[in-house]
Amino acid sequence: GDSVTQMEGPVTLSEEAFLTINCTYTATGYPSLFWYVQYPGEGLQLLLKATKADDKGSNKGFEATYRKETTSFHLEKGSVQVSDSAVYFCALSGSGGSNYKLTFGKGTLLTVNP
Amino acid sequence: ETGVTQTPRHLVMGMTNKKSLKCEQHLGHNAMYWYKQSAKKPLELMFVYNFKEQTENNSVPSRFSPECPNSSHLFLHLHTLQPEDSALYLCASSQDGGEGGTDTQYFGPGTRLTVL
Repeated sequence: GDSVTQMEGPVTLSEEAFLTINCTYTATGYPSLFWYVQYPGEGLQLLLKATKADDKGSNKGFEATYRKETTSFHLEKGSVQVSDSAVYFCALSGSGGSNYKLTFGKGTLLTVNP
Repeated sequence: ETGVTQTPRHLVMGMTNKKSLKCEQHLGHNAMYWYKQSAKKPLELMFVYNFKEQTENNSVPSRFSPECPNSSHLFLHLHTLQPEDSALYLCASSQDGGEGGTDTQYFGPGTRLTVL
């Protein structure tokens, strides 16, 4: 079945540091890929998505590129801020025709210190 | 109010209680979802409703009973829960929960449930 593997963390960085959170997936067909973010005490918010190979999703300085050859969708940001502290989830959907089913990774807790 | 709202935000209940969680979406979507988020586990899809019809029950115990009276509202009725059911219950909606096409799900803030 489908699965998403992401680095579990926690990840602790200083402000303005470079961020990478790795995500790899296993799926049939051609899934869409997502990064969701969960701030403390809140639900999940869509951060960015990519729907086909080589697409780059971007939002709020975050980027991720859909790499079919390596089945990866790593999240990056060049300079993190304290306000980026949250849990980040990688997810996929659309595999095998089940377009509404999201399969999530376990989440990565990011803490950014001033 | 916009987006997806959930009430209550926090709920503490005993194992013999009956309670209900409510979700409302103001996005004009046709599909709604219940997820369970437990500590150190991936989000688990529980139920899917598409155009008010239940299209997915992911082997959820019968002590959880969903209800979708219309495309904007979704309930989760709780009865004789166990302590291991304590978790964050998230509601989500999307334009269409059917096959074909890619769809983004929008989440509510969740209900933090504690079963004593």
